[in-house]
Amino acid sequence: GQQVMQIPQYQHVQEGEDFTTYCNSSTTLSNIQWYKQRPGGHPVFLIQLVKSGEVKKQKRLTFQFGEAKKNSSLHITATQTTDVGTYFCAGIGAGSYQLTFGKGTKLSVIP
Amino acid sequence: GAVVSQHPSWVICKSGTSVKIECRSLDFQATTMFWYRQFPKQSLMLMATSNEGSKATYEQGVEKDKFLINHASLTLSTLTVTSAHPEDSSFYICSARVVTLKSNEQFFGPGTRLTVL
Repeated sequence: GQQVMQIPQYQHVQEGEDFTTYCNSSTTLSNIQWYKQRPGGHPVFLIQLVKSGEVKKQKRLTFQFGEAKKNSSLHITATQTTDVGTYFCAGIGAGSYQLTFGKGTKLSVIP
Repeated sequence: GAVVSQHPSWVICKSGTSVKIECRSLDFQATTMFWYRQFPKQSLMLMATSNEGSKATYEQGVEKDKFLINHASLTLSTLTVTSAHPEDSSFYICSARVVTLKSNEQFFGPGTRLTVL
């Protein structure tokens, strides 16, 4: 079945440093989504990428979808303490409708 | 955005009892809802896909007789954990799918934390 791998599992950064998490799928995706889960909370939808090579920005967050539609990344510039949480990528395989989640990257920001 | 509610938000029960969790889409109709389980510090694992008016589709390894899913209306799906045991203690999250011409999004409920003593 489809597998979505995400690295790193944990990341500790000083406030102001940049952060990147990477997502790689075993199969081609029709789209990939990113979610943020604060400690004790539920996943909150951040963005969806559909097109090959797509790049989208949300303030300090930059999302990329690979040309082959099998990998994606989330980059946060100048992290803040409010960025703390676990970031999950989730992909939908071509011809499917189910989301397969990566294991998530837990971000800690040291003030 | 679309709002999904879950009830209860947390529940503690004795081993052997059954627990029902409700998932509602508040301002939209959802033909498909999903049930996930999340163990501490782990990712969400899909348990089953719930389609309104039909039987749920369970993922491999999920016991359908233990985790009963009912999707009786376009705004309500329920998950009943039957004869709960301590190993069933987990965070259960539902989501509702909204499909448009441009997107295929899922909106998550706030989750239900189940503790089985």
